[in-house]
Amino acid sequence: EAGVTQSPTHLIKTRGQQATLRCSPISGHTSVYWYQQALGLGLQFLLWYDEGEERNRGNFPPRFSGRQFPNYSSELNVNALELEDSALYLCASSHGRGNEQFFGPGTRLTVL
Amino acid sequence: KNQVEQSPQSLIILEGKNCTLQCNYTVSPFSNLRWYKQDTGRGPVSLTIMTFSENTKSNGRYTATLDADTKQSSLHITASQLSDSASYICVVKGGDYKLSFGAGTTVTVRA
Repeated sequence: EAGVTQSPTHLIKTRGQQATLRCSPISGHTSVYWYQQALGLGLQFLLWYDEGEERNRGNFPPRFSGRQFPNYSSELNVNALELEDSALYLCASSHGRGNEQFFGPGTRLTVL
Repeated sequence: KNQVEQSPQSLIILEGKNCTLQCNYTVSPFSNLRWYKQDTGRGPVSLTIMTFSENTKSNGRYTATLDADTKQSSLHITASQLSDSASYICVVKGGDYKLSFGAGTTVTVRA
């Protein structure tokens, strides 16, 4: 069974640009979570989607947004990129709310 | 505010030696506690999960303990191997399904 996949592996952008990150959950999982992990810091919760709806968001500005598609895959968009947005962005999926989250390999975003 | 604090922030051990990582939390109500292993540049992978009634749980050379009264957990690595070099993250789930993440302990195993 395939795990959570994310694309791209690496992404390099400049300040002010927009970044789009993608995530495909494990087959059968309806919940997708997005986390930011800046270098040397712990995981910070960004967004949670379930059944196509945004269920919760962390303490991040509105320029961090996303959506979940009918096939449960998800997209994270970061607008007006800032240098401090450079981080590893992790996606996780679970079978319903509150169950174990399985993480993808992450997308390394570098903002120059 | 629910918090999870891990110590030490980092440690270096020689191959074959044991080590213990600590996790203290203030999350309430408490649902469960997981220890994750995260290799550099990769996503975290669950090692153990412990609920309120469990005191000890093992996964190979990894043994987790939980004291729900003092809100402390530990992860013990026995006979460390080079592949144990990673960040170990303590994650506590509250009664509202919210997860609280520790900042992690970085373990470096040297030959």
